[in-house]
Amino acid sequence: GAGVSQSPSNKVTEKGKDVELRCDPISGHTALYWYRQRLGQGLEFLIYFQGNSAPDKSGLPSDRFSAERTGESVSTLTIQRTQQEDSAVYLCASSSATGELFFGEGSRLTVL
Amino acid sequence: GQQLNQSPQSMFIQEGEDVSMNCTSSSIFNTWLWYKQDPGEGPVLLIALYKAGELTSNGRLTAQFGITRKDSFLNISASIPSDVGIYFCAGRTSGSRLTFGEGTQLTVNP
Repeated sequence: GAGVSQSPSNKVTEKGKDVELRCDPISGHTALYWYRQRLGQGLEFLIYFQGNSAPDKSGLPSDRFSAERTGESVSTLTIQRTQQEDSAVYLCASSSATGELFFGEGSRLTVL
Repeated sequence: GQQLNQSPQSMFIQEGEDVSMNCTSSSIFNTWLWYKQDPGEGPVLLIALYKAGELTSNGRLTAQFGITRKDSFLNISASIPSDVGIYFCAGRTSGSRLTFGEGTQLTVNP
């Protein structure tokens, strides 16, 4: 597609379950970011992939969070043993070589 | 890591007024980006700046890349109700990831 695509757009899960969020970046974009945004808050950096370099995982809040990216294509963000505090919108964005970042619509996660 | 200070945190203005917000950094950046986020959507790129001193307009929006390369501002002229949203600045140095400001929540009263 022409833009960054994220799925699911909404996910409701029970505390303790694992969830997987998917991001399809813009074709040809070498960089991919995941952010978390709580209601009324700013963008909290989670993880950054750039080409074949080792990802910058410095924003992951705990070892329950992990992300993978295959080459310069799809990325998945996995949250294990979800907690209510994990409820937020998870935004994915991809970047061209010039650094202009384009965002998806986000995946809204609600942990009951 | 790099720090970006964005201000003001929120603004309440009347339709037709001009708006100004800014970001300052502890680091020198070579790219500044300004985004707007509408409720329930992802942020959308408004203006990209790549050169110190650069002044760029996009309709009623004007943004500048500060001469020191440590700051940038965004102006909105003659605000309208659809300008409501959260505005984010972002900056990066060569070879590093983007850093975002905390956002400015803009409310425009008709």
